[in-house]
Amino acid sequence: GQNIDQPTEMTATEGAIVQINCTYQTSGFNGLFWYQQHAGEAPTFLSYNVLDGLEEKGRFSSFLSRSKGYSYLLLKELQMKDSASYLCAVREGDSNYQLIWGAGTKLIIKP
Amino acid sequence: DTEVTQTPKHLVMGMTNKKSLKCEQHMGHRAMYWYKQKAKKPPELMFVYSYEKLSINESVPSRFSPECPNSSLLNLHLHALQPEDSALYLCASSTRLAGGTDTQYFGPGTRLTVL
Repeated sequence: GQNIDQPTEMTATEGAIVQINCTYQTSGFNGLFWYQQHAGEAPTFLSYNVLDGLEEKGRFSSFLSRSKGYSYLLLKELQMKDSASYLCAVREGDSNYQLIWGAGTKLIIKP
Repeated sequence: DTEVTQTPKHLVMGMTNKKSLKCEQHMGHRAMYWYKQKAKKPPELMFVYSYEKLSINESVPSRFSPECPNSSLLNLHLHALQPEDSALYLCASSTRLAGGTDTQYFGPGTRLTVL
C-alpha cells in the first residue's frame, strides 16, 4: 500500500539544528517534496529530491535515500519563524497530481 | 513571480447559498489544481486542469463545480454545501501536468465556513 510516515510533532530550541524524518512506501517514485506550512496558510515549496544525496539550500537541506525509502529535512540555525508544519510528499508517477502526502510534522521552536 | 492569488481570503456561507472561489496565476502555468485541506491534515486533491481542460475529478460531490475560463484563471463554484465542507481550499499551479522537476505552487487559500 501507499504510506508516508513523519513524526507528528517535534520541539527544538532557537539557534539549534533539527532533523525531520520521512519514510515512504509507495507504488512508484518520481521525486520527493518538502513543503512548509504555517498555521492557516498555504504550503510553501522548500525542496525537491529525485536522486540520492543531499540538497542544500541556505539554512535548509534535504536528503534522500531511495533504497531505504527515506528522506530528511535538516533545519539549521533555527529561528522562531520556523515554527510551522513540514509536509513530505512523494510523486508516484509522471503526473504532478500524483502526490502522496504525509500528515506533516508540527515543529515548535522555543526560545 | 511565483505567485498564485486566491479570493476571497475568508468566506462564510449558508447551506442554501451559491458562491465562487477564484484563483489566478500569471506564471504561464498550464496545469492548475484545487485542493481541500482540513485542520492538521494534508491537502486532498479535488480537481486538476491541464490546458484549460478538466483532467482529474477525484470523485468530488457535484455541489463543487470547477471552471477554467482561461489559462490564468480557475474558479470553484459552490452550491448547497454542507457544514462538513468547511475547510481551507487551496489552489495550486505547475508548469505542466507531467514530467521533470516540476513543482506545484500554492495560493494562500480560502478559509470556508459553512453554517
